[in-house]
Amino acid sequence: AQKVTQAQTEISVVEKEDVTLDCVYETRDTTYYLFWYKQPPSGELVFLIRRNSFDEQNEISGRYSWNFQKSTSSFNFTITASQVVDSAVYFCALSDLIGSSNTGKLIFGQGTTLQVKP
Amino acid sequence: DAGITQSPRYKITETGRQVTLMCHQTWSHSYMFWYRQDLGHGLRLIYYSAAADITDKGEVPDGYVVSRSKTENFPLTLESATRSQTSVYFCASSTIPYNEQFFGPGTRLTVL
Repeated sequence: AQKVTQAQTEISVVEKEDVTLDCVYETRDTTYYLFWYKQPPSGELVFLIRRNSFDEQNEISGRYSWNFQKSTSSFNFTITASQVVDSAVYFCALSDLIGSSNTGKLIFGQGTTLQVKP
Repeated sequence: DAGITQSPRYKITETGRQVTLMCHQTWSHSYMFWYRQDLGHGLRLIYYSAAADITDKGEVPDGYVVSRSKTENFPLTLESATRSQTSVYFCASSTIPYNEQFFGPGTRLTVL
């Protein structure tokens, strides 16, 4: 069965601190995709990144970086020098070939609420 | 406007009533999805559709019905609303499987 676990329910940091959001996934498939979405207080869901299971290279986009480790089934997200605007709920999600019946449907983690204080 | 829209944005209804949530996208994306968001559960898939007239159940389909007669529309109907269906509902679409899903703004539904 597919599962995504975000063990950190809430994280609070002070602005300019670095913060890492953890994501652990379970799948029996060898081909799968991992995603991160951001949900700011306004409520919309904003796509951040997609990574396929064959690409283990870490990715950096500005202050955001992602560490994908198949050996530990983790896809962690780090925000460097956090800002108040980073305050949001962050979701990690999984889509695999077998579990999604090749439709790309997503299995979401429970989400991590990040609060960045000034 | 281009994109994916949902209506209504807010809805209050009573137990036992039928409610339809609308979803419309202008991209002609083949794949469309309905999720519900509840505290502690993240988002869970209710139904999805791979094309017009092709729909299937997701993780939590009980009490819901969908249809997709046109590619751009994917309405979700609560046949007889229950309090446990109080939630925020998100519609999403994608071009092909495993691509980024684009989400609508959500509908906040309260069942009294």
